[in-house]
Amino acid sequence: SQKIEQNSEALNIQEGKTATLTCNYTNYSPAYLQWYRQDPGRGPVFLLLIRENEKEKRKERLKVTFDTTLKQSLFHITASQPADSATYLCAPGTGRRALTFGSGTRLQVQP
Amino acid sequence: DAGITQSPRHKVTETGTPVTLRCHQTENHRYMYWYRQDPGHGLRLIHYSYGVKDTDKGEVSDGYSVSRSKTEDFLLTLESATSSQTSVYFCAIKGLITDTQYFGPGTRLTVL
Repeated sequence: SQKIEQNSEALNIQEGKTATLTCNYTNYSPAYLQWYRQDPGRGPVFLLLIRENEKEKRKERLKVTFDTTLKQSLFHITASQPADSATYLCAPGTGRRALTFGSGTRLQVQP
Repeated sequence: DAGITQSPRHKVTETGTPVTLRCHQTENHRYMYWYRQDPGHGLRLIHYSYGVKDTDKGEVSDGYSVSRSKTEDFLLTLESATSSQTSVYFCAIKGLITDTQYFGPGTRLTVL
């Protein structure tokens, strides 16, 4: 069955460092992969979409890579700030009607 | 915020009672979704709709029904609420250009 794995343990880093979150998937051939941010008590918010033919995508301090051979996406936040503290969800997409989300990784940036 | 509202935002009910949650959108999106989110399980799809009167089941649809009689409204009904349905429920719509989803603020439901 299709499976999405994100590190369930919280990631704690110091302000100014680069945070790297991992999304692994199995039994999938996604055409794209999306990353979302979720703050406590709120709905997820879309951040970035990367397609299968794109190796890397950037948006301000965010960078996403997509390796279809490894079946993995890495999500980087450079020069992290305490305001980046949140849970980050990945969602591989196949172009079908519904997305499946990973359970998310909580990031805590310490000042 | 893609003009999505959910009501009620909080509800406490008793086991065995019917509950209806409402999702309303203002931007005429075709696809609408209901998810539940629980610790350790992440977001799980309950039902979704791809047009008026067109709905399909997600991975955790047992005990839930949906209706969509108008483009802007997608209703989720728990016919007879159980304690296992205590959760946070999110509604979402799919963007017009990409498969990006936009979420509502959520409804926290407690079944005693």
